Amino acid sequence: KAGVTQTPRYLIKTRGQQVTLSCSPISGHRSVSWYQQTPGQGLQFLFEYFSETQRNKGNFPGRFSGRQFSNSRSEMNVSTLELGDSALYLCASSQDRPDTQYFGPGTRLTVL
Amino acid sequence: AQSVTQLGSHVSVSEGALVLLRCNYSSSVPPYLFWYVQYPNQGLQLLLKYTTGATLVKGINGFEAEFKKSETSFHLTKPSAHMSDAAEYFCAVSLGANDYKLSFGAGTTVTVRA
Repeated sequence: KAGVTQTPRYLIKTRGQQVTLSCSPISGHRSVSWYQQTPGQGLQFLFEYFSETQRNKGNFPGRFSGRQFSNSRSEMNVSTLELGDSALYLCASSQDRPDTQYFGPGTRLTVL
Repeated sequence: AQSVTQLGSHVSVSEGALVLLRCNYSSSVPPYLFWYVQYPNQGLQLLLKYTTGATLVKGINGFEAEFKKSETSFHLTKPSAHMSDAAEYFCAVSLGANDYKLSFGAGTTVTVRA
């Protein structure tokens, strides 16, 4: 099976812009989670989607949002970008709780 | 709530030597525990996991970990380090079906000396 894919792999944006990241889970996986990885804060949970519904949400401001489509693909959006949003954004998929989460390669976002 | 503490942000070992990475957790319910590895510019790869049952868990690439409830620990070991083991390692905990999100430790970077 193909693994989790994320597009794009690299992004450069400027402050105030918005960005959309995409994640395609492993075939058959219905749960998609998003994590932010930064040198200062480490790996932090953003949110989880299952069957197009957000099931869990981390402690991030409302500028961070996501959605899931009927084919389980997911997108996350960050509006009004700040310098501190520069990070590696990782997507993970699983069949359902509490199955193992499998991670994609990530999208490296740089905000200038 | 759950949390993870990884002791030592950097570990340096000689090729062929024992690798020992320490992880302690706190959890209000029986935890699910994981070790992931991250190579530069890549995502996280699962090494092994503990959910229930046998407390000694074997994973990929010769790694294993032991769940010790009394010590709230889940240390990762490999008897003989290989140059390819140089990477960053993360311990993570979840509450299983009750709260699915992974809470990660700060990570331990392993360097392997020839």
